[in-house]
Amino acid sequence: QLQLVESGGGLVKPGGSLRLSCAASGFTFRDSYMAWIRQAPGKGLEWVAYITNSLSDTNYAASVKGRFTISRDNTNDALFLQMNSLRAEDTAVYYCVRAQIGACTSTRCGPGAFDMWGQGTLVTVSS
Amino acid sequence: IQVTQSPSSLSASVGDTITITCQASHDISNYLNWYQQKPGQPPKLLIYGASNLEPGVPSRFSGNGFGTDFSFTINSLQPEDFATYYCQEYDDVPPALTFGGGTKVDIK
Repeated sequence: QLQLVESGGGLVKPGGSLRLSCAASGFTFRDSYMAWIRQAPGKGLEWVAYITNSLSDTNYAASVKGRFTISRDNTNDALFLQMNSLRAEDTAVYYCVRAQIGACTSTRCGPGAFDMWGQGTLVTVSS
Repeated sequence: IQVTQSPSSLSASVGDTITITCQASHDISNYLNWYQQKPGQPPKLLIYGASNLEPGVPSRFSGNGFGTDFSFTINSLQPEDFATYYCQEYDDVPPALTFGGGTKVDIK
């Protein structure tokens, strides 16, 4: 059964840290590009970070670069997002997402369409 | 890359045909996707590569466009289609992965 299940969300104070996890099942995780996408309450969608498959190339949105780290464990089919120096504006539902391969250069490819989504985990940053 | 989606909301009736547009700030070839999101649910991919229907998605949904101007159409709107729709670009490596602002489709 195709599934992505997030965990680790919760209430954290500004400046604090949180680590999100995502358990994947039903597909070949090690071959898949993965990403985190967030949605602030009542707002639109914002890509946060992505990681490619076995080569584990990563990229981050400007709003989180230097504070968040995406990683993966291909042995246990898991995706992670370490979030440090959290701010009020990081409050959102965080979705674990599988990505199709998108545009490519001669040496690497980026993610394309996000074709599988978890149910999301809520992160609230507040004092 | 900026992606301008319009309208931000629209009201329609069951059976209507509706069209949503996205305009990119520069040429993104066909690197554009469309999603549907219902309240309390994650988004669902409907169209990838500007015009390709994701498997399992009804044929009343369609996408078109190339370069900077894209459109998304729902023919014969069904009750389950009332939702918010987003476009998303993925041009370049690494891509910016910008989402449009969303279009909320509600019942007239």
